[in-house]
Amino acid sequence: SAVISQKPSRDICQRGTSLTIQCQVDSQVTMMFWYRQQPGQSLTLIATANQGSEATYESGFVIDKFPISRPNLTFSTLTVSNMSPEDSSIYLCSVAQGAGNTIYFGEGSWLTVV
Amino acid sequence: GENVEQHPSTLSVQEGDSAVIKCTYSDSASNYFPWYKQELGKGPQLIIDIRSNVGEKKDQRIAVTLNKTAKHFSLHITETQPEDSAVYFCAATTNTNAGKSTFGDGTTLTVKP
Repeated sequence: SAVISQKPSRDICQRGTSLTIQCQVDSQVTMMFWYRQQPGQSLTLIATANQGSEATYESGFVIDKFPISRPNLTFSTLTVSNMSPEDSSIYLCSVAQGAGNTIYFGEGSWLTVV
Repeated sequence: GENVEQHPSTLSVQEGDSAVIKCTYSDSASNYFPWYKQELGKGPQLIIDIRSNVGEKKDQRIAVTLNKTAKHFSLHITETQPEDSAVYFCAATTNTNAGKSTFGDGTTLTVKP
């Protein structure tokens, strides 16, 4: 299975600031995704990170708030912009790997906005 | 779009007993059903998955069953241990939306020693 590393693992951020989360995979993968998990909640897909092109966002998420980069097949970043306390969540990087598109997650980046 | 319902939301069992978590889905096109275990402070860990061409899959103490006609699938954990205590999530996805899974709301399993 893919080994997915996220940075930072945790951070406390001031409201109004922006934070970029990095996701590094130990092998090339076709599909990478970013999910959000609000406290005590399930996982919600933010966007699909497309290599070499703009990310595809799910309903309720916009590029201005969550800009995403994917410069190659092993790396992606998610920025949470102009943060408010409502953005306090776990942000999870996910990849689909193998012929069956098995889905794996990183350990998450735990953000608290104060 | 796909809708996944998961029950129960909390489950408490005695060590050594079995635990069963059930999920239903709405999109008959869904054909891949993974289960994840999430321990406190960690990301979701894939523990078992099943595809629509099989009805059951087992891995040691963990098994998953799938009923495509009824559109439901279940996670079975036998001989539970305290380290099985965690939040478990089911998910459903289709080949056309590969990787874009819809998740259930999670089940908090507590195994009492």
